[in-house]
Amino acid sequence: GENVEQHPSTLSVQEGDSAVIKCTYSDSASNYFPWYKQELGKRPQLIIDIRSNVGEKKDQRIAVTLNKTAKHFSLHITETQPEDSAVYFCAARNNNAGNMLTFGGGTRLMVKP
Amino acid sequence: GAGVSQSPSNKVTEKGKDVELRCDPISGHTALYWYRQSLGQGLEFLIYFQGNSAPDKSGLPSDRFSAERTGGSVSTLTIQRTQQEDSAVYLCASSWKERSGANVLTFGAGSRLTVL
Repeated sequence: GENVEQHPSTLSVQEGDSAVIKCTYSDSASNYFPWYKQELGKRPQLIIDIRSNVGEKKDQRIAVTLNKTAKHFSLHITETQPEDSAVYFCAARNNNAGNMLTFGGGTRLMVKP
Repeated sequence: GAGVSQSPSNKVTEKGKDVELRCDPISGHTALYWYRQSLGQGLEFLIYFQGNSAPDKSGLPSDRFSAERTGGSVSTLTIQRTQQEDSAVYLCASSWKERSGANVLTFGAGSRLTVL
């Protein structure tokens, strides 16, 4: 089945700096890659997603890039703010497993003011 | 309702007792997932239901765990003979497949289980 690896597990940046979280996946048939943000004590929520026919997608300070050949995708947050502090999860959808989403292990991002 | 509902929100039980956790997904969502999240940890996949297909039970940690989904809607996760290591937040999520092929997953608020 699909396997998603996420790095780093923790990331600390100064307010205003950029943060990058990277994920790799194993199944070349995967075609949908969402990112979820989980603030402390709250449920995960979708913040951005990308489909396999697109190489990059931006939404204000957040961008996601996808390299299908290398089977990796990344989340980029620019001009980080304290409210960006949370745990971020990447995921991949595996067409060969009934469209099931497989999550990475998560990255705890801390933005220091 | 507008979102995924889970009950109870908090459950404290004694070791050895059975517990049932309920998930009411968004109406029309064909996919339903159960995850377990221990404090400060990631999302541990438990089980996945998709429409009328056989569920993917590959994440269930032991035979004390089981889940069912009746009528393609409400799901119940049952833990028998609970152990202290079962203490965690149990998250349910549901989705429907957009025409574009995306799975937009909506999570419930979770059921916090504490086994004394």
